[in-house]
Amino acid sequence: EVQLLESGGDLVQTGGSLRLSCAASGFTFNNYAMNWVRQAPGKGLEWVSVINGGGGYTYYADSVKGRFTISRDNSKNTLYLQMKSLRAEDTAIYYCAKESSGSGSFDYWGQGTLVTVSS
Amino acid sequence: DVVMTQSPLSLPVTLGQPASISCRSSQSLVYRDGDTHLSWFQQRPGQSPRRLIYKVSNRDSGVPDRFSGSGSGTDFTLKISRVEADDVGVYYCMQGTHWPQYTFGQGTKLEIK
Repeated sequence: EVQLLESGGDLVQTGGSLRLSCAASGFTFNNYAMNWVRQAPGKGLEWVSVINGGGGYTYYADSVKGRFTISRDNSKNTLYLQMKSLRAEDTAIYYCAKESSGSGSFDYWGQGTLVTVSS
Repeated sequence: DVVMTQSPLSLPVTLGQPASISCRSSQSLVYRDGDTHLSWFQQRPGQSPRRLIYKVSNRDSGVPDRFSGSGSGTDFTLKISRVEADDVGVYYCMQGTHWPQYTFGQGTKLEIK
């Protein structure tokens, strides 16, 4: 059974930093691209970042480019999101999502971890 | 960037009646291999999103056949043949054709009348 378990969400001050983790199990982790998607309180879904299976290719939404860094440790089956220079508008639930091969879509999502940015 | 526009944004439906959600993209979603990477997700209150449909019309495992997807090019539809109480939540379309810049629709909130 595929499982994705996010952690690391917290209350952080404006301008601060935070690292999120997503522990994966139930599939061959290094075979799949992984994504971060966020959802601000009461709002819709916003794609944040993607990393390919090997970790050599990454891409970011314009809203986080230059401030967030996605990475993965395939030996630990874990995905990360390093966030810096956090702003109030980064407040959201952050989900990790597994890409499904050949469908241009996400077949599994974690339960999410809440990041609150406040002054 | 590809913009995904859903309508309606709010959908009150009587139990047992059909429901339909439209999703339009600002650019064609036909990929160079001929596939169309349009998915539908359901997000029940307090839960993570769950994929229902991928590549326009393919249902995920465990998804009731009351749910169906259709469309082509820039115009897509999610239909629920008979709404049940369990279907309450927000529904999102998402394009993956213009990878890696995935985009979601604004969401359609389905509620029981």
